[in-house]
Amino acid sequence: GQQVMQIPQYQHVQEGEDFTTYCNSSTTLSNIQWYKQRPGGHPVFLIQLVKSGEVKKQKRLTFQFGEAKKNSSLHITATQTTDVGTYFCAGHGNAGNMLTFGGGTRLMVKP
Amino acid sequence: NAGVTQTPKFQVLKTGQSMTLQCAQDMNHEYMSWYRQDPGMGLRLIHYSVGAGITDQGEVPNGYNVSRSTTEDFPLRLLSAAPSQTSVYFCASSYSSNQPQHFGDGTRLSIL
Repeated sequence: GQQVMQIPQYQHVQEGEDFTTYCNSSTTLSNIQWYKQRPGGHPVFLIQLVKSGEVKKQKRLTFQFGEAKKNSSLHITATQTTDVGTYFCAGHGNAGNMLTFGGGTRLMVKP
Repeated sequence: NAGVTQTPKFQVLKTGQSMTLQCAQDMNHEYMSWYRQDPGMGLRLIHYSVGAGITDQGEVPNGYNVSRSTTEDFPLRLLSAAPSQTSVYFCASSYSSNQPQHFGDGTRLSIL
């Protein structure tokens, strides 16, 4: 079945440093979604990428979808303490109705 | 707007007990799903439904049953609780599986 892997599992950064998490799928995806989960909270949708090579920005967050539609990345510029949480990617395959989540990257920011 | 409502928020069970986790949404979403979240494992899909009367298995369905008699409700039943089912359970809904998912606040379940 479809597998979605995310690295790194954990990342400690100093406030102001950049952060990147990478997502790789075993199969070609029709789209990829990104979610953020604050400690003790539930996942909250951030963005969806659909097109090959697509790049989207939300303030300090930049999301990319690979040309082959099998990988994606989330880059945060100049992290802030409010960025703390776990970031998940979730891929939807070309067939079926399942959304498969990656294992998540937990971001910790030292002030 | 209530969004996705899960009850209870916390539950402790003994091994072998059964219980139902409730999930309701008021957004008229066709697609609903149940995930469990364990440390370092991300979110794993248990069961999902693409509409009333239709359910299907996800990645980890064993030990769980679901039904979808209405668009609004999607309960998850643990038939005979086992310690391995200790987890945080999230219900989510959306217009379809490839649309943004709206999650409930989760149910923290401990099985002794």
